[in-house]
Amino acid sequence: GEDVEQSLFLSVREGDSSVINCTYTDSSSTYLYWYKQEPGAGLQLLTYIFSNMDMKQDQRLTVLLNKKDKHLSLRIADTQTGDSAIYFCAEDNQGGKLIFGQGTELSVKP
Amino acid sequence: DAGVIQSPRHEVTEMGQEVTLRCKPISGHNSLFWYRQTMMRGLELLIYFNNNVPIDDSGMPEDRFSAKMPNASFSTLKIQPSEPRDSAVYFCASTQGGQPQHFGDGTRLSIL
Repeated sequence: GEDVEQSLFLSVREGDSSVINCTYTDSSSTYLYWYKQEPGAGLQLLTYIFSNMDMKQDQRLTVLLNKKDKHLSLRIADTQTGDSAIYFCAEDNQGGKLIFGQGTELSVKP
Repeated sequence: DAGVIQSPRHEVTEMGQEVTLRCKPISGHNSLFWYRQTMMRGLELLIYFNNNVPIDDSGMPEDRFSAKMPNASFSTLKIQPSEPRDSAVYFCASTQGGQPQHFGDGTRLSIL
């Protein structure tokens, strides 16, 4: 069945790069997404990548997609304390639904 | 532009009471999704609508849960009777034409 897996925690120092990884199972996904959730808030769309792309860069964010290995990563350059949040990876399943991972809690230490 | 609007933001009620959560999708969006988020199970899709019609309600936990979308600008999720294990954050999201889903800020529900 469809499944999206992420590691649960990541801790980095301010100014370092953060890399959050995700694996998924549905090879027919058209788009893959990264959402950010701050405490007490909803999910905010950060970025997304079309499945026929390998990489997408948007300011401090770089998304890498390895379709063969069904592996998606989000790199945040120059991580700031304001980047502390939970990051969710999601794939679409062609039926309009999104399948979410468990979320990775990013902790940025000053 | 106004985003997805959910109300109330917080709800505390006693078990057995009826709970109604409300959602106003982004204007022009034709798909609406209800999710539940808990520590134990993460983010779960409960039900979604296309053009006001329920398409997939396989995530609805049991008959105590029901959802309606009487028009393109309003949806409700109702729990009757409510139980403590229904305590969670409930999110509504909307989209159109295969675009990314946009989420509301959620309703934090506590059933005592």
